[in-house]
Amino acid sequence: AQSVAQPEDQVNVAEGNPLTVKCTYSVSGNPYLFWYVQYPNRGLQFLLKYITGDNLVKGSYGFEAEFNKSQTSFHLKKPSALVSDSALYFCAVRDQGTGGFKTIFGAGTRLFVKA
Amino acid sequence: GAGVSQSPSNKVTEKGKDVELRCDPISGHTALYWYRQSLGQGLEFLIYFQGNSAPDKSGLPSDRFSAERTGGSVSTLTIQRTQQEDSAVYLCASSGMRTDTQYFGPGTRLTVL
Repeated sequence: AQSVAQPEDQVNVAEGNPLTVKCTYSVSGNPYLFWYVQYPNRGLQFLLKYITGDNLVKGSYGFEAEFNKSQTSFHLKKPSALVSDSALYFCAVRDQGTGGFKTIFGAGTRLFVKA
Repeated sequence: GAGVSQSPSNKVTEKGKDVELRCDPISGHTALYWYRQSLGQGLEFLIYFQGNSAPDKSGLPSDRFSAERTGGSVSTLTIQRTQQEDSAVYLCASSGMRTDTQYFGPGTRLTVL
């Protein structure tokens, strides 16, 4: 069965500094990996995904993530954080090996960006 | 509208009552998902539908929970004999055949008194 771990409940970063939100996963086959963001009082929005190909994936709002197969990680990064990036971030995985659409989400990491 | 819609937006019910939550996916999307987000928790997978295939019900927490998808479009999540621990935000998402990106609705906040 697939699983996702987001080891940090909360990440604090100063505006202008780089940010990293960590995610590790476990699947039996090859993974589809996703990051979603939930802004206060707004619905979940897609940020980026890794399906195949280049390990570095670029997404919305200047975010990027790197797929690392050996470390089974898919950390979310941004070179320069904005206060408006403050939100709840979810990593998710789907197991290509099962051929199904079941998607497992992590527990979420709350990002606080201070001005 | 172009997005996923859910109704009602809020539902308050008494313990032991049945509730039905509705999801209207994006037109043409073949996959539909239900998740539960409890206060301070992540998203818990409940069930997904994909085209005419049998749904994956592996995330439903008990037999009090069931879901249907009629005509490959609208879906209803039913919770029978609600319990206080069922209180949560229930999220619906849909995705198209050629994309894995899920588009989420605004959710239904269920409160069981």
